[in-house]
Amino acid sequence: DPKIIQKPKYLVAVTGSEKILICEQYLGHNAMYWYRQSAKKPLEFMFSYSYQKLMDNQTASSRFQPQSSKKNHLDLQITALKPDDSATYFCASSQESFFRGQQDTQYFGPGTRLLVL
Amino acid sequence: GDSVTQTEGLVTLTEGLPVMLNCTYQSTYSPFLFWYVQHLNEAPKLLLKSFTDNKRPEHQGFHATLHKSSSSFHLQKSSAQLSDSALYYCALSDETGNTGKLIFGLGTTLQVQP
Repeated sequence: DPKIIQKPKYLVAVTGSEKILICEQYLGHNAMYWYRQSAKKPLEFMFSYSYQKLMDNQTASSRFQPQSSKKNHLDLQITALKPDDSATYFCASSQESFFRGQQDTQYFGPGTRLLVL
Repeated sequence: GDSVTQTEGLVTLTEGLPVMLNCTYQSTYSPFLFWYVQHLNEAPKLLLKSFTDNKRPEHQGFHATLHKSSSSFHLQKSSAQLSDSALYYCALSDETGNTGKLIFGLGTTLQVQP
């Protein structure tokens, strides 16, 4: 059974619309992340959450808003979509974000491939 | 800021030959280094992670040695297999805020030919 679920697998949207990317992890982890992979920037960190609190935000635009309704959920809302937002969005999780000077292993979900027309 | 450099975009090898993928980094601190592998249409998966005690991590025949003096964490394997064909990312942990942020290089595509 998949331990990190991302829905949908593929998503086509029109410019200006809003979409929500879903991520659920069943690994019992306390930290969750979003990364983006595109042709321009292969793997780019977006957000990190620990115990449902935002730890880091590296997105320049407020159009990207993470939402954590439960400890094992971290959805990504994207508003006013642009063609440049076309990418594969990966959710990841780890036991902790950082503990006693050691980075925990991050496990990636299968990704949501977003195409904005 | 911290950064990771992977100089080769594409490495093409014949099966059975040794593999070496380069990774150098810049960091204010002493970060942890990682190698992730991504097969076509799949998620990135951790391949190797540097240890705090300078042990050499190994997995699936791959190994990497962290050289702090040269800020390098090159990935090596003695004999390439067809199944090793994939995209390989080197990454470092950003320790400025202990937020779990990973900084990835641009990646190196390894193509192993028969």
